[in-house]
Amino acid sequence: GAGVSQSPRYKVAKRGQDVALRCDPISGHVSLFWYQQALGQGPEFLTYFQNEAQLDKSGLPSDRFFAERPEGSVSTLKIQRTQQEDSAVYLCASTDNVEGARQPQHFGDGTRLSIL
Amino acid sequence: ELKVEQNPLFLSMQEGKNYTIYCNYSTTSDRLYWYRQDPGKSLESLFVLLSNGAVKQEGRLMASLDTKARLSTLHITAAVHDLSATYFCAVDYYSISNFGNEKLTFGTGTRLTIIP
Repeated sequence: GAGVSQSPRYKVAKRGQDVALRCDPISGHVSLFWYQQALGQGPEFLTYFQNEAQLDKSGLPSDRFFAERPEGSVSTLKIQRTQQEDSAVYLCASTDNVEGARQPQHFGDGTRLSIL
Repeated sequence: ELKVEQNPLFLSMQEGKNYTIYCNYSTTSDRLYWYRQDPGKSLESLFVLLSNGAVKQEGRLMASLDTKARLSTLHITAAVHDLSATYFCAVDYYSISNFGNEKLTFGTGTRLTIIP
């Protein structure tokens, strides 16, 4: 596709429910990132994939957060037993991992998650 | 830990005026990005600055990078209402060992409002 696509755009869940957020990166982009953006703040790194390999998950706030990218394209961020503090916008970004290119990350529109 | 600070956090300015947003970061990096975010929207890449002394201009916006001072500036010339948005700077920490994992550390953003 032309850009990074995320779904759903909005998700409302009750505390304790599990949610799954989807990211469809730009075709051919090797690197995929997930960020969490709280209201009025800058995005914060959650995890990074290179193709299907999750090479960095240091930003995941707890073991309730899980991400996968099994075929190296679409990625899913799953949050189990959601808590109110999980309410945020979840952004996905992808980039072309070409040495020397130094391309900026291209962001999707995000999923706004609200936990009641 | 890489820290990125922006100031001011809020900026209200009249159309036609000039102003500068500052971005300081805490560790050595020669890769700095500026993004724009409109309310409820995703991040749009504005500039990629990859070396000391880099200067880039697009329309009424000009960005520069001083890696020795660990400082980047975003200068707005003769502001117009369409420039109202939140502006983020972001830095990544690149090394041979983490090639490809160009996770970004964002500043808290500068919310710019242009008053007619």
